[in-house]
Amino acid sequence: SQTIHQWPATLVQPVGSPLSLECTVEGTSNPNLYWYRQAAGRGLQLLFYSVGIGQISSEVPQNLSASRPQDRQFILSSKKLLLSDSGFYLCAWSVAGGPTYEQYFGPGTRLTVT
Amino acid sequence: KNQVEQSPQSLIILEGKNCTLQCNYTVSPFSNLRWYKQDTGRGPVSLTIMTFSENTKSNGRYTATLDADTKQSSLHITASQLSDSASYICVVSPFSGGYNKLIFGAGTRLAVHP
Repeated sequence: SQTIHQWPATLVQPVGSPLSLECTVEGTSNPNLYWYRQAAGRGLQLLFYSVGIGQISSEVPQNLSASRPQDRQFILSSKKLLLSDSGFYLCAWSVAGGPTYEQYFGPGTRLTVT
Repeated sequence: KNQVEQSPQSLIILEGKNCTLQCNYTVSPFSNLRWYKQDTGRGPVSLTIMTFSENTKSNGRYTATLDADTKQSSLHITASQLSDSASYICVVSPFSGGYNKLIFGAGTRLAVHP
């Protein structure tokens, strides 16, 4: 069966510090991968998605970047965090070539920028 | 503009009671609608998914309905349990023939009290 992992589970970082969140998927090959951010009282906002190694599409301009160094690894980064980067970050995957609305979510990372 | 509106924002009910959550959408063209349950601090988990031709879909004590003409959906929870306390998110996928971007509602936060 497929599983998706995210770490860390929680993170408190000062403004201006760098960020690296990691997501890995097991049990499937060449998945589509997604990063979402969930702000309090708001719907999930798609940040990035990837259909393959090194292939990243950005949905909204922001202070964040994403990379996919390996088939089942997706990384969300920032060089300098802003207060507005605080939120709950979710990674998701879907089957390559399958319907992209069939997405499975990871457990999330709670980021607090102080 | 593709949007998903959910009501109420929050709801408190007593254990054993029923409740109904609402979702209105303006997504067009429409592909499918899904209800997710998200426990606090966790990733969303799919409850039901319906295409435009389906009027109702059940998953245990959860029953979702869809009226594609009025663009409304509801999620009915029967005989609520304490474990039903969570956020319930309505997600609509537009039909695009390729990548199906998901449109998320802000969710309804349900609290079930003993």
